Amino acid sequence: RKEVEQDPGPFNVPEGATVAFNCTYSNSASQSFFWYRQDCRKEPKLLMSVYSSGNEDGRFTAQLNRASQYISLLIRDSKLSDSATYLCVVKGVQKLVFGQGTRLTINP
Amino acid sequence: DAGITQSPRHKVTETGTPVTLRCHQTENHRYMYWYRQDPGHGLRLIHYSYGVKDTDKGEVSDGYSVSRSKTEDFLLTLESATSSQTSVYFCAISGLGQPYNEQFFGPGTRLTVL
Repeated sequence: RKEVEQDPGPFNVPEGATVAFNCTYSNSASQSFFWYRQDCRKEPKLLMSVYSSGNEDGRFTAQLNRASQYISLLIRDSKLSDSATYLCVVKGVQKLVFGQGTRLTINP
Repeated sequence: DAGITQSPRHKVTETGTPVTLRCHQTENHRYMYWYRQDPGHGLRLIHYSYGVKDTDKGEVSDGYSVSRSKTEDFLLTLESATSSQTSVYFCAISGLGQPYNEQFFGPGTRLTVL
């Protein structure tokens, strides 16, 4: 079983829609959680950290469920510019573990 | 954007040749990392550094060595390149109190080994 699992997609949604993806992790001792965004042929960029109580940054909301060991990302009112691959990242004891990413395409 | 540059940005080389990739940061961050990214595998840690001359292995370190003689530079060397090392290589930095907190990535180096 992979340490961090994501649905690779692709997700194709119309502009303005709400889209959500989940990520599960296997190590219950994981300490910190992040979502990164990666555009095609570019470097990953930090989108947001995920806090235990959940957190919001504009149109983006991240949630953490420690009991079920998953984190989620919700994007509201999606824009064409949100098209990218979203990487779920979990901090383990000695390393960051990256999921393979979920590809999202927003269609006009 | 964090001040991280990588050089070269693209390289084609032949099997058996040594290759060195450079990561340079202007943020004075303590921690630096080398990852490779391959389809189906996500990002995987090769080596990391927690200070000048202090380095340690990641999960895919075989065939790679690193050096950090200055805070701002972290070099990755493929001692004898193989086709399996064809990949995109990303350098990352982290400056918060502990390693493995938020990391900021360089633009990447696309390496092809023929």
